Amino acid sequence: NAGVTQTPKFQVLKTGQSMTLQCAQDMNHNSMYWYRQDPGMGLRLIYYSASEGTTDKGEVPNGYNVSRLNKREFSLRLESAAPSQTSVYFCASIVTSSEQYFGPGTRLTVT
Amino acid sequence: GNSVTQMEGPVTLSEEAFLTINCTYTATGYPSLFWYVQYPGEGLQLLLKATKADDKGSNKGFEATYRKETTSFHLEKGSVQVSDSAVYFCALTTGGTSYGKLTFGQGTILTVHP
Repeated sequence: NAGVTQTPKFQVLKTGQSMTLQCAQDMNHNSMYWYRQDPGMGLRLIYYSASEGTTDKGEVPNGYNVSRLNKREFSLRLESAAPSQTSVYFCASIVTSSEQYFGPGTRLTVT
Repeated sequence: GNSVTQMEGPVTLSEEAFLTINCTYTATGYPSLFWYVQYPGEGLQLLLKATKADDKGSNKGFEATYRKETTSFHLEKGSVQVSDSAVYFCALTTGGTSYGKLTFGQGTILTVHP
């Protein structure tokens, strides 16, 4: 039981490049979330998926898109990366009214 | 909207010292409150939680009490260890269809020296 996995662990992009961050969970959780972590700002919600087939914007969705591919997988796409998107990205999942399980994070640098 | 404010960090303590990290919140409705811990290079782990007023969450020697009258959820530990060095986040969610949409404080870095 791997929990929540994220790929890649590290990535460097040039401004304007695109990439997809992958997230998968093997706990049969319904809801999945993408957060970004910036120094001094805690974690902020980018997008979430309350259940398979649904996605909704969080606090900071601009510049991102998501896909809930199936119950296990929830990907985050940057279509045209900007330096302001340099951050650590965390994926998380939850069943119902219980704790969120976080992945190990993806450290993204945009130059 | 919802917000969480944590005490300014970083916090540096000697082993066996008493720890308090302050957390206050504003929220619509009746929030559930959490403390998460992030060890170096890792994701966040739930440390403890409280779902209603006057509840006390506890785990691994850490405690926090949900104080509705002061809108606070301060984290305490009586005797810290070097292994407690990490970043601590206070967070809340307001339930219903929003459950799981966490609002986080900015995090407090704790360093414990031998």
